[in-house]
Amino acid sequence: EDKVVQSPLSLVVHEGDTVTLNCSYEVTNFRSLLWYKQEKKAPTFLFMLTSSGIEKKSGRLSSILDKKELFSILNITATQTGDSAVYLCGGTSYGKLTFGQGTILTVHP
Amino acid sequence: EPEVTQTPSHQVTQMGQEVILRCVPISNHLYFYWYRQILGQKVEFLVSFYNNEISEKSEIFDDQFSVERPDGSNFTLKIRSTKLEDSAMYFCASSRTVNSPLHFGNGTRLTVT
Repeated sequence: EDKVVQSPLSLVVHEGDTVTLNCSYEVTNFRSLLWYKQEKKAPTFLFMLTSSGIEKKSGRLSSILDKKELFSILNITATQTGDSAVYLCGGTSYGKLTFGQGTILTVHP
Repeated sequence: EPEVTQTPSHQVTQMGQEVILRCVPISNHLYFYWYRQILGQKVEFLVSFYNNEISEKSEIFDDQFSVERPDGSNFTLKIRSTKLEDSAMYFCASSRTVNSPLHFGNGTRLTVT
């Protein structure tokens, strides 16, 4: 059975801090690793990673994949209160996306 | 930006009743999915659908569940005889190809009493 594990489960920081969220996966016929941000309702797409070692960046967020060690990290620099959310990672195989349990990030002013 | 829309946003039903949750995927997407999230738990895969057929389904997706694309735009999830444990947020998602990111709707909160 496919498995995705995220750590930490929750994180409380102050504005301006940098955070690193971790995601390890065991997915049969692995195709890609996806990161989502879930605020109140729908998970919204952040990154899709398919190749090891290539960093993807979007503003203050960046992510990288290690297919040898089967993990990915999501970095957020200079955090803001608007970054408070649940961050989900998931591994895909042939159209099935298996999510981890999420990391709850709380950013205090 | 195109988005996945789901209706209703909240559905309350009695145990044993049938419910149909509706979704309109993004128009040029070919792959459709249903996920559910029980309160406080992770988002779980239910089923994927392509070319009018189920591609993959999880153990959760038993005979009580069915999916349908009745016309060119809607994608539905039917639960035949709801149980208390079916209470959850149900998310519909779509993707352009099997290797593209999934885009999620805002969900339908199903409450079974």
